[in-house]
Amino acid sequence: DAEITQSPRHKITETGRQVTLACHQTWNHNNMFWYRQDLGHGLRLIHYSYGVQDTNKGEVSDGYSVSRSNTEDLPLTLESAASSQTSVYFCASSERLAGGSTGELFFGEGSRLTVL
Amino acid sequence: KQEVTQIPAALSVPEGENLVLNCSFTDSAIYNLQWFRQDPGKGLTSLLLIQSSQREQTSGRLNASLDKSSGRSTLYIAASQPGDSATYLCAVRPLMDSNYQLIWGAGTKLIIKP
Repeated sequence: DAEITQSPRHKITETGRQVTLACHQTWNHNNMFWYRQDLGHGLRLIHYSYGVQDTNKGEVSDGYSVSRSNTEDLPLTLESAASSQTSVYFCASSERLAGGSTGELFFGEGSRLTVL
Repeated sequence: KQEVTQIPAALSVPEGENLVLNCSFTDSAIYNLQWFRQDPGKGLTSLLLIQSSQREQTSGRLNASLDKSSGRSTLYIAASQPGDSATYLCAVRPLMDSNYQLIWGAGTKLIIKP
């Protein structure tokens, strides 16, 4: 079965360190997304990509970056981790919205990041 | 600007009851609406997706309806079970947003008491 795999599932790091969260999907979807989920804020979009070499900023992109070198992977990098970036991070993917596609969104299991 | 509201924020009912979860949106110009389930410490699982041209979708004991003119969607759960306990989120994909990004509700936390 197709799936989205995130790693690591849990990570503790220190302020100022660089952290990369991996996301790998086997759906062959063009669209990939990174969200963070915090109590009181719900799901907020960080970055998204509509295909290889395409990346776009979401509503809370400051301090984060992504790169898309192939269809399957969209790693999320925190250049210099801050305590405000302690959160649960979700990767998601969907088909491109064309040719009658619904754009149904599928999620990974999440990565819980703690920045001390 | 599209806004999505889910009321109530939490709901507790005895096992076996039929129940309805509500999702309201302010702009009827939508591409589709998707319902998700989230268990504690887990990712979101897609339950049902309704296209703007559809009135309802069914999957097992779940039925989702869409009334664009009134800006409402409901998720009906028949014969509720303790395993249905989770947070249910709805998300709307606006039609006029060029990026077609989902607008999320805050969710309804459902507890089914045995």
